[in-house]
Amino acid sequence: GESVGLHLPTLSVQEGDNSIINCAYSNSASDYFIWYKQESGKGPQFIIDIRSNMDKRQGQRVTVLLNKTVKHLSLQIAATQPGDSAVYFCAENSKTSYDKVIFGPGTSLSVIP
Amino acid sequence: GAGVSQSPSNKVTEKGKDVELRCDPISGHTALYWYRQSLGQGLEFLIYFQGNSAPDKSGLPSDRFSAERTGGSVSTLTIQRTQQEDSAVYLCASSLPQSEKLFFGSGTQLSVL
Repeated sequence: GESVGLHLPTLSVQEGDNSIINCAYSNSASDYFIWYKQESGKGPQFIIDIRSNMDKRQGQRVTVLLNKTVKHLSLQIAATQPGDSAVYFCAENSKTSYDKVIFGPGTSLSVIP
Repeated sequence: GAGVSQSPSNKVTEKGKDVELRCDPISGHTALYWYRQSLGQGLEFLIYFQGNSAPDKSGLPSDRFSAERTGGSVSTLTIQRTQQEDSAVYLCASSLPQSEKLFFGSGTQLSVL
C-alpha cells in the first residue's frame, strides 16, 4: 500500500518547550496538506491544513510551514503540553491521485513533564 | 453530534475465516476512505469511495480484500480467508464533498490467531 512507513520516529520534548515535527513529501503535484494528531486508541484528528499557494499558516499554538522547493512540511507546536503527546501525521492530496488523501509515516511526540 | 462509527471495535478471528468490518460515515459525507494501521506504523491507504464514482481500489493488498458502499452511506470492508498479517487496526474516514478534511472513526482492531 501507499505511504506505509517503518517504525515511527520519536521526538521527546520538555513541557513548555516548542516542538517541530517534520515531513517530506514526494508528489510535486500535491496541492493540499494536512496535519493530523492521533492519540492512543483513537482515530486521527484534524489539526491544521495549508494549500500549496501558501507557505505558512497559524492556528492556536500550532503553525504549519510549507516549502515547496524542497517538498517539506513542518508542524510547530508552541509551549508543548502533556496533552500534545500523540502521533502526528502529515497528509497530502493531489487532484492527480483521484483526490485521495495519502498519509506520511508519522512521528511520535512524547512530552516530558 | 454523530461522528464516524465503526463496528465492531474489536474482532478476534481464526486464520482462514472471513470477516466483515462496518463503517457508518457522517451524514452528508460523500467521500469514504478505508485505511489500515499496523502496530506502531502509519496509515496505509486501502480504498476510497467518492459519491457515485467508481471506487479507487488501488490500495487493496490482495484479492482477499473487498469493500462496498451501499446507498452512498454505510460501507463494509470484507477480508476473506484471513491471515495473521491482516492483524491491524482498520480505520474508516469520511469527508464532505469537495473537502479533503477527513473525520475518522475509532477503528476496528482485528486480531487473526
